Amino acid sequence: DTEVTQTPKHLVMGMTNKKSLKCEQHMGHRAMYWYKQKAKKPPELMFVYSYEKLSINESVPSRFSPECPNSSLLNLHLHALQPEDSALYLCASSLFDPGRSDTQYFGPGTRLTVL
Amino acid sequence: AQSVAQPEDQVNVAEGNPLTVKCTYSVSGNPYLFWYVQYPNRGLQFLLKYITGDNLVKGSYGFEAEFNKSQTSFHLKKPSALVSDSALYFCAGGSSNTGKLIFGQGTTLQVKP
Repeated sequence: DTEVTQTPKHLVMGMTNKKSLKCEQHMGHRAMYWYKQKAKKPPELMFVYSYEKLSINESVPSRFSPECPNSSLLNLHLHALQPEDSALYLCASSLFDPGRSDTQYFGPGTRLTVL
Repeated sequence: AQSVAQPEDQVNVAEGNPLTVKCTYSVSGNPYLFWYVQYPNRGLQFLLKYITGDNLVKGSYGFEAEFNKSQTSFHLKKPSALVSDSALYFCAGGSSNTGKLIFGQGTTLQVKP
């Protein structure tokens, strides 16, 4: 089974709200990723967790706060977002860290709209 | 700079005809290369990858890709296109030197009946 699940599927929030995105995998993968994707563009890497530790932060604004409570779960906490943050947020996982050739498996994404 | 390029924004092909979606790469070290497909409002689905070995890689749904080191290319192919193959295709690459996956800009494949 190569399934990565993400909740919620859709999220609408105001600029003053606080919300969280959730990602889960049960494949025993030790690397998990957050990507942001605008329409018809490639995914942009935001964060990478390797063995539950943050290993890559692609200079993402602090209004995005990742958390990896355990090896199967990845959260993205959102606060004081801007309308330009509206996008599809994708979670992915791979067996090991991104310096290797392991396949990244993607979840279906959360469609975020910031009003 | 390391990069992956997809020179065509869109590829149009008639159903039943062969299709090719092009990808070239510039990655230091030994590259590993992937193809993903994305349907509207969905995540990326893995199709196939090249790590080492046989230059012709076979993947899901009848797709295959050929790794060409001299031309630094990894084109995606299918002998007979289906209307349901219409989607956005991403080539991605990396190496132990890159530390992350580098995506091409994507190619929209339109298969017409």
